[in-house]
Amino acid sequence: TQLLKQSPQFLSIQEGENLTVYCNSSSVFSSLQWYRQEPGEGPVLLVTVVTGGEVKKLKRLTFQFGDARKDSSLHITAAQPGDTGLYLCAMITGANNLFFGTGTRLTVIP
Amino acid sequence: DAGVTQSPTHLIKTRGQHVTLRCSPISGHKSVSWYQQVLGQGPQFIFQYYEKEERGRGNFPDRFSARQFPNYSSELNVNALLLGDSALYLCASSLGQLAGGYTFGSGTRLTVV
Repeated sequence: TQLLKQSPQFLSIQEGENLTVYCNSSSVFSSLQWYRQEPGEGPVLLVTVVTGGEVKKLKRLTFQFGDARKDSSLHITAAQPGDTGLYLCAMITGANNLFFGTGTRLTVIP
Repeated sequence: DAGVTQSPTHLIKTRGQHVTLRCSPISGHKSVSWYQQVLGQGPQFIFQYYEKEERGRGNFPDRFSARQFPNYSSELNVNALLLGDSALYLCASSLGQLAGGYTFGSGTRLTVV
């Protein structure tokens, strides 16, 4: 059974702190996406990573794809209250749909 | 340009009833997919439609059905509602069949009482 496990499940930090969230699977990803979802909204795509070892940066967010393509991390530098939300990783399956992880709910306290 | 629009935004139904949820994709997008997101979990794939044909189905009972119209809009139907069907139902559209270019709508919050 496929399982995308994200950790931690919940994270509450002060504004200005750094944080890292993780996405792990027992299966190899062909490609992986990270989304952020705010309350009352649908997920919004942040990044797609395809190549093992790939690192992508989006302003204060750094995304890394593991060398073996079985794990990924999202690092946020100097977190802002606007970063608050549910962070979801998702793999694109062979059937061309998205299989989402369990999510990390981040709260950044001003 | 309008994004993916879903209606209604909120809905309350009674167990055993039927519900129809609607989705209008981004103009020019030919693929629509439906996801169910139970509170506290990630979205779970229900259906994908591309060019009005079903191209994928997740692990949901036959009470769930969908269709796509010539204008690429889509409906999700759920029969014989159960309490466990309470969730946020998300629609996503993309240009082609590939899942990598999804744009999600804001969802329909269904509560079954």
